[in-house]
Amino acid sequence: EAQVTQNPRYLITVTGKKLTVTCSQNMNHEYMSWYRQDPGLGLRQIYYSMNVEVTDKGDVPEGYKVSRKEKRNFPLILESPSPNQTSLYFCASSLRMNTEAFFGQGTRLTVV
Amino acid sequence: GQQLNQSPQSMFIQEGEDVSMNCTSSSIFNTWLWYKQDPGEGPVLLIALYKAGELTSNGRLTAQFGITRKDSFLNISASIPSDVGIYFCAGTYNNNDMRFGAGTRLTVKP
Repeated sequence: EAQVTQNPRYLITVTGKKLTVTCSQNMNHEYMSWYRQDPGLGLRQIYYSMNVEVTDKGDVPEGYKVSRKEKRNFPLILESPSPNQTSLYFCASSLRMNTEAFFGQGTRLTVV
Repeated sequence: GQQLNQSPQSMFIQEGEDVSMNCTSSSIFNTWLWYKQDPGEGPVLLIALYKAGELTSNGRLTAQFGITRKDSFLNISASIPSDVGIYFCAGTYNNNDMRFGAGTRLTVKP
């Protein structure tokens, strides 16, 4: 089954404690991206990757890092989380940048 | 970045009614997509539009890519309770990244 898998689904952490949210897709897609969803703001892109070892900033990259060492994986790293990073995060993949995006189920992160 | 203005923000309708929502921008977009997000899930694609003027249906859903390439609408006919969710428009421009609207939250009363 074609899917995008994110882990964990829920995470509560403390300010400053480094965390990683994993994302994996099994569709051999080149393009992957991370979004955060906040009430009234829709989905805002954090980072995207057009292929292995090619990543770039989206609209709201501050406080986040990503890596793309393999085609299927695109982890999101918060080196020093802060409460304003409390949000619902989605990973997405697509064949190319402007084609249908398949989303993971989301990771609800709370930073206290 | 390019902004998408999606309206309305929320809708409360009776089962059986038709629904219409739209997205507009001051910029030209090459692709328009409509997604639905069920509670606790990620968005799922409903309809993709790739040409100006294109009108596409998917069951009770119909979407159009505006002639000016600056807008798109989504209609849902004869709504049912499972239509409840958040609907997002998304657009791509200049072959760059995708922009999302803020979403329309739909509530359907039985």
